[in-house]
Amino acid sequence: NAGVTQTPKFQVLKTGQSMTLQCAQDMNHEYMSWYRQDPGMGLRLIHYSVGAGITDQGEVPNGYNVSRSTTEDFPLRLLSAAPSQTSVYFCASSSLNTEAFFGQGTRLTVV
Amino acid sequence: AQSVTQPDIHITVSEGASLELRCNYSYGATPYLFWYVQSPGQGLQLLLKYFSGDTLVQGIKGFEAEFKRSQSSFNLRKPSVHWSDAAEYFCAVGDVYNFNIFYFGYGTKLNVKP
Repeated sequence: NAGVTQTPKFQVLKTGQSMTLQCAQDMNHEYMSWYRQDPGMGLRLIHYSVGAGITDQGEVPNGYNVSRSTTEDFPLRLLSAAPSQTSVYFCASSSLNTEAFFGQGTRLTVV
Repeated sequence: AQSVTQPDIHITVSEGASLELRCNYSYGATPYLFWYVQSPGQGLQLLLKYFSGDTLVQGIKGFEAEFKRSQSSFNLRKPSVHWSDAAEYFCAVGDVYNFNIFYFGYGTKLNVKP
C-alpha cells in the first residue's frame, strides 16, 4: 500500500534555483494539499486542490505554485528558491469524511 | 478564524505514568478533530479521530481522546506511557465546510523518562 508518495526525500538548493516537489497518491482521493512544517509552528497550509484542474491558496502560498492535471498527482513548484523556504514539506490527501493521509516529507534546505 | 492551541510545548513523563495532552480549538461549528503523532524524521501518523457520536474516542497504541464541546477541547490521554511513545503530537481540526483543509496546533513534544 503506497498511499502518499513524495520525492525527493532530501534536497539542497541554491538561492534562486527552481525545483518541483513531487507528490502522488493511489487512494483515488479528491483532495490534495501541501503543508510546510517549521520548528515550533506546526503545519501550515500552502496550497490545496479539490480535484483535477482546481487549486487554491492556503495560509502561506507566496513563492509556491501548484497544478493538478490528474487525480493522482499534485506537484509543488518553487520558482526562485529563498532561504525562508528552508523547511520540511508534507503532501497530504483526503476524501470526504476521512482524515488527511500524509507522505513521508521532503526536507528542503536553501543556501 | 479557526485555530488550534496546544498549550504545552514540551512534556516529560516517567515511563508507566499517565499522560494527558491538551488541545483547544476555535471554530464556528463542531469540527472534525484529529490527533497525529510524528516520530523524528517521519511523516504524521493518525492516532484517532472524532467526527460525531460518542465523545470518547479510542485510537491506536492505547490512546484515547475526549471531545468536550463546552470547553472546545479534545484532550489526548494514555493511562501508562511507554518509552516508544516519545514523539511529537499534533492536534488538528478539519474544516467541515471545506473538507480538504486541516488546521494544526504547534505540537507537543513528549519526552519519556526511564
